[in-house]
Amino acid sequence: QVQLQESGPGLVKPSQTLSLTCTVSGGSISSGGYFWSWIRQYPGKGLEWIGYIYSSGTTYYNPSLKSRVTISLDTSENQFSLRLNSVTAADTAVYYCARAGYYGSAIVLWGQGTLVTVSS
Amino acid sequence: QSVLTQPPSVSGAPGQTVTISCTGSISNIGAGYDLHWYQQLPGTAPKRLISGNNNRPSGVPDRFSGSQSGTSSSLVITGLQAEDEADYYCQAYDRRLSGWVFGGGTKLTVL
Repeated sequence: QVQLQESGPGLVKPSQTLSLTCTVSGGSISSGGYFWSWIRQYPGKGLEWIGYIYSSGTTYYNPSLKSRVTISLDTSENQFSLRLNSVTAADTAVYYCARAGYYGSAIVLWGQGTLVTVSS
Repeated sequence: QSVLTQPPSVSGAPGQTVTISCTGSISNIGAGYDLHWYQQLPGTAPKRLISGNNNRPSGVPDRFSGSQSGTSSSLVITGLQAEDEADYYCQAYDRRLSGWVFGGGTKLTVL
């Protein structure tokens, strides 16, 4: 079955760029019309949607993060990526990649999550 | 401050029934978008529990049920078991954000 796996640095310095990759295994990222997403969970437990990219490449971002976020697809590597610029300690969280069938459907598939700490 | 409002905690004894509420607005639940529920065990990713109007994926016991009305939704867990102790989150699409919103999460304690 399709699985998602996040990878990237666990520690990022303030003002730098957080970069994470989600590798899709067991299926092609190009097949079907899916919403490939990034979601984060703060240490206090709240979940926040960061954004998603549709299989066509169209992106949608949380307005509160839009100026700092880029989500992209790499079909050759079967991956999608997150870049978050100008990070601060407030960006410290567990970052999940996830997949949904369409924007109104449930998030059926989740990665295991990766903790990113912003600290000097 | 989460867009969807959930109680921070609920508790119940084994065998009892608990209800977790989720209140939204006219831009998400009230707009007719499906409300979904997730269960998160410690150290793991959230797992889909209920999709939309009481649709359970295979493997989820029928002790879990959901309902939706107006701008609110409820998750009902009957016959509480120790293994149900977890955090529960609601989630929906929000047309004002053009994206997903979540509840703040409810910690269920089985006494």
